[in-house]
Amino acid sequence: DIQMTQSPASLSASLEEIVTITCQASQDIGNWLAWYQQKPGKSPQLLIYGATSLADGVPSRFSGSRSGTQYSLKISRLQVEDIGIYYCQQASSAPWTFGGGTKLELK
Amino acid sequence: EVQLVESGGGLVQPGRSLKLSCAASGFTFSNYYMAWVRQAPKKGLEWVATISTSGSRTYYPDSVKGRFTISRDNAKSSLYLQMNSLKSEDTATYYCARFLWPTSWFAYWGQGTLVTVSS
Repeated sequence: DIQMTQSPASLSASLEEIVTITCQASQDIGNWLAWYQQKPGKSPQLLIYGATSLADGVPSRFSGSRSGTQYSLKISRLQVEDIGIYYCQQASSAPWTFGGGTKLELK
Repeated sequence: EVQLVESGGGLVQPGRSLKLSCAASGFTFSNYYMAWVRQAPKKGLEWVATISTSGSRTYYPDSVKGRFTISRDNAKSSLYLQMNSLKSEDTATYYCARFLWPTSWFAYWGQGTLVTVSS
């Protein structure tokens, strides 16, 4: 199975700050990576797919990038509504696996 | 608007069975693969099952293979998850999700239904 390792596990940041979350795949998955946002008490929502493409309705302050088997999710200017837990997911091969999550809080 | 509404969760004893349902609306259900994803309390996400548009192909991780069965009724726009031989580690919120094939993203999620396996 492909392991997805996210870091950090938790992150505290201020409004308008730049935030970066990373996800490391245990093997080559190409651009077969998605990011999900789970707001408190809600179900997850697709944020980014194909490593870099924004899902419908996602603000442009979110962006995704890839360097080899390391993937990054960047929030350019943190807003209150961005608070929650972020998960990466590899879509390269079954079993489709998720990272452990990054809990983003306001400082 | 895509809507996925799960039901059927509850408290069940270890070793017993439970069947979850998901009612879909706002899209042509028969055109999409569907999936179940679960989240144990205060834990991360785990994919549980995926089914093809016709229901002829199903996929499971080893953790539930042989115990869980995903199925669908396209006429009723409904997705199901039959869970047998339940274990305490199956305790989780179960989400129904629209699954994009072959890209394998979970594009839309329901609100979830909680399954608690305990004596």
